[in-house]
Amino acid sequence: EPEVTQTPSHQVTQMGQEVILRCVPISNHLYFYWYRQILGQKVEFLVSFYNNEISEKSEIFDDQFSVERPDGSNFTLKIRSTKLEDSAMYFCATRQATYNEQFFGPGTRLTVL
Amino acid sequence: KQEVTQIPAALSVPEGENLVLNCSFTDSAIYNLQWFRQDPGKGLTSLLLIQSSQREQTSGRLNASLDKSSGRSTLYIAASQPGDSATYLCAPDAGGTSYGKLTFGQGTILTVHP
Repeated sequence: EPEVTQTPSHQVTQMGQEVILRCVPISNHLYFYWYRQILGQKVEFLVSFYNNEISEKSEIFDDQFSVERPDGSNFTLKIRSTKLEDSAMYFCATRQATYNEQFFGPGTRLTVL
Repeated sequence: KQEVTQIPAALSVPEGENLVLNCSFTDSAIYNLQWFRQDPGKGLTSLLLIQSSQREQTSGRLNASLDKSSGRSTLYIAASQPGDSATYLCAPDAGGTSYGKLTFGQGTILTVHP
């Protein structure tokens, strides 16, 4: 069964460093999302992406964050200058069409020291 | 702003019981609602998707209902098993210009004892 994959599974970085989290969506899916979950807290929406542009972003998704599909298959989330409070599990999700369910990847655990 | 509440926060039951997990949301203008399960340290597994025009959706031992006007959804789990132990999350989809934006509740932590 097709699934969303994410790499790396765990990323440790120093505060102020740039990180790129990668997602490979299910092929033929057109809508892409990033969510995050700080330990012990709710899953929070970050950004939605369709047709090579951002559809919506939350207040968390500030200028330090960016998303792109660099090669038409991978979907990436970049954090330019990480902060301690960026430590969280980051989930990529994809959807085939507007009436379909979202499928989530296994997540990348980001630890900022 | 959509707020999602799930009750109970935790549930511990013996194997075989039928369970009811509740979800309420403040903004009834939703497009659909999804139920997920999350195992510790893992990703989210989609269980059911209910469109706003539907009242119920079933998958195996799971049945989800939706009362959009009152802002409620309920997940029924029949004949619970230890493998059902996980955190269950509901997430309404905002629709409209915010289509695809899921808002999550805190979840119900379910433990099923053998």
